[in-house]
Amino acid sequence: RKEVEQDPGPFNVPEGATVAFNCTYSNSASQSFFWYRQDCRKEPKLLMSVYSSGNEDGRFTAQLNRASQYISLLIRDSKLSDSATYLCVGGGSYIPTFGRGTSLIVHP
Amino acid sequence: AAGVIQSPRHLIKEKRETATLKCYPIPRHDTVYWYQQGPGQDPQFLISFYEKMQSDKGSIPDRFSAQQFSDYHSELNMSSLELGDSALYFCASRSRGPNTEAFFGQGTRLTVV
Repeated sequence: RKEVEQDPGPFNVPEGATVAFNCTYSNSASQSFFWYRQDCRKEPKLLMSVYSSGNEDGRFTAQLNRASQYISLLIRDSKLSDSATYLCVGGGSYIPTFGRGTSLIVHP
Repeated sequence: AAGVIQSPRHLIKEKRETATLKCYPIPRHDTVYWYQQGPGQDPQFLISFYEKMQSDKGSIPDRFSAQQFSDYHSELNMSSLELGDSALYFCASRSRGPNTEAFFGQGTRLTVV
């Protein structure tokens, strides 16, 4: 079983929609979690860190649920430019371990 | 702000050739990671270095080796290249500490023909 798992999607949503992704992790000792965004054939770019208290940055909200061992990313008012693959990163060791990525397609 | 620099950006090699990929981490970052990302795959961890010493090893083939130099730049050496080695190779750096983020270079796209 992969240490970090995500639904690969794709999630196909209209502009303005709210969409949420979940990512589960298997190592209860995991301390650090992040969401990265990756555009086609480019490097992953840090979107936001996920803190125990949650984290909000504009239209993006990240939450951590330690009891159920998952993190979530909520995107409100989706824009066409949000279309990308969203990678969840966690892991109990110090090595950033990636989920498979969730593909988001925002259409007009 | 300085970012992680990788070179070359693109590389085409023939089977059984060798390749060397370079990574220059963000200044004052003491940890470097190498990842391989095949088409439609998530980045797979290969190897990492902390303070110029190998710290962790992932799914790195025996044909590959890596090192980190005194100036903290790192090189991934790949020998006896195979078609299956064609992928995007990312280097990431971070400063060791709680909840520190890793920042990625733009990657080297290796094509083995």
